[in-house]
Amino acid sequence: EVQLVESGGGLVQPGGSLRLSCSASGFTFINYAMHWVRQAPGKGLEYVSAISINGGSTYYADSVKGRFTISRDNSKNTLYLQMSSLRAEDTAVYYCVKPRIFGVVLSSFDFWGQGTLVTVSS
Amino acid sequence: DIQMTQSPSTLSASVGDRVTITCRASQSIRSWLAWYQQKPGKAPNLLIYDGSSLESGVPSRFSGSGSGTEFTLTISSLQPEDFATYYCQQYNSYSRLTFGGGTKVEIK
Repeated sequence: EVQLVESGGGLVQPGGSLRLSCSASGFTFINYAMHWVRQAPGKGLEYVSAISINGGSTYYADSVKGRFTISRDNSKNTLYLQMSSLRAEDTAVYYCVKPRIFGVVLSSFDFWGQGTLVTVSS
Repeated sequence: DIQMTQSPSTLSASVGDRVTITCRASQSIRSWLAWYQQKPGKAPNLLIYDGSSLESGVPSRFSGSGSGTEFTLTISSLQPEDFATYYCQQYNSYSRLTFGGGTKVEIK
């Protein structure tokens, strides 16, 4: 059974930093690109970032480029999102997401984690 | 960047109704479109991928059609468990794997 378990969310002050983790199991992690998607309270889904299978290629939404860094540790089956210079508008539930197709970044998403809430507030 | 526009933003319907939701892309995305269902407090669930392919385990009352810039999600006979918010998503472009703004299906 595929499982994606996010952790690391919480309350942080504007300008602060936070690192999210996503522990993956139930599939061959190293064969899949991975993604982060977020959802602000009461709002729609917003794509955040993606990373290729070996970590050599990364992609970011304009809204987080230069502030967020996606990475992965294939030996630990874990995906990360390092967030810095956080703003109030970064407040959201952050989902770790698995693509349906292995090996490619451009794919629909067939499994989502339960999400972790990040609140940026003073 | 490719923009995805969903309509309507809210839809009121009754159990048994046929429901259609539209998603328009600002440029051609071929058939690289997915539809998701999201219920309050839950993560989204994949319904349709590649424009018209039904994800395993999804009831056959859900169907998708379209290509290029215009796509539709149809629920042939709305069931009580289908009241939720639906999102389209394009995965044609690396610039952003953009989501539509969502369509909330409410009980009439």
